[in-house]
Amino acid sequence: GEDVEQSLFLSVREGDSSVINCTYTDSSSTYLYWYKQEPGAGLQLLTYIFSNMDMKQDQRLTVLLNKKDKHLSLRIADTQTGDSAIYFCAESANDMRFGAGTRLTVKP
Amino acid sequence: DTEVTQTPKHLVMGMTNKKSLKCEQHMGHRAMYWYKQKAKKPPELMFVYSYEKLSINESVPSRFSPECPNSSLLNLHLHALQPEDSALYLCASSQGLADQETQYFGPGTRLLVL
Repeated sequence: GEDVEQSLFLSVREGDSSVINCTYTDSSSTYLYWYKQEPGAGLQLLTYIFSNMDMKQDQRLTVLLNKKDKHLSLRIADTQTGDSAIYFCAESANDMRFGAGTRLTVKP
Repeated sequence: DTEVTQTPKHLVMGMTNKKSLKCEQHMGHRAMYWYKQKAKKPPELMFVYSYEKLSINESVPSRFSPECPNSSLLNLHLHALQPEDSALYLCASSQGLADQETQYFGPGTRLLVL
């Protein structure tokens, strides 16, 4: 099975909050990452969290980590149409392992 | 500066052609990576270079040949590719190879093999 799992699709209205969830299996992961990929583009590092942290906030982005449940989430406040993209969760216990990506669609 | 650049942006090649993809970073990173990404899939690791030496080869066919001429440059030489090799090829770099080193990605080269 997948080492990193994400739901494939999320649709929200402009101005609402988006929450993208991720679960991982390797408890030795030191860092967990969120990358954003817009159509036809490479991966843009959005944010990352060290495994001994519970939360990290960076402007509109909030990352929550539940290490006991191996659950990571990304909350985007006041979601805009420019946030429409695929969001990849990744963990780096050894190699970088990516989830399948969540396609976020923001409706005006 | 956290920029990784890749050229060309797009490439179309026939199955008998030889072409090269280039990647460059000037962040002083000592680890560089090639990933392949098919449509609607996450990136898959192909090769890892650490201090200009090949560290990991994820059982990639020999028609893909990586090269690291210096610490800032990473090439991927392509020869006799198949149509199923069409994909987005992403380069990334990190400070080192340890698991806490964040990888920064380039914009990718979109390859189409006819």
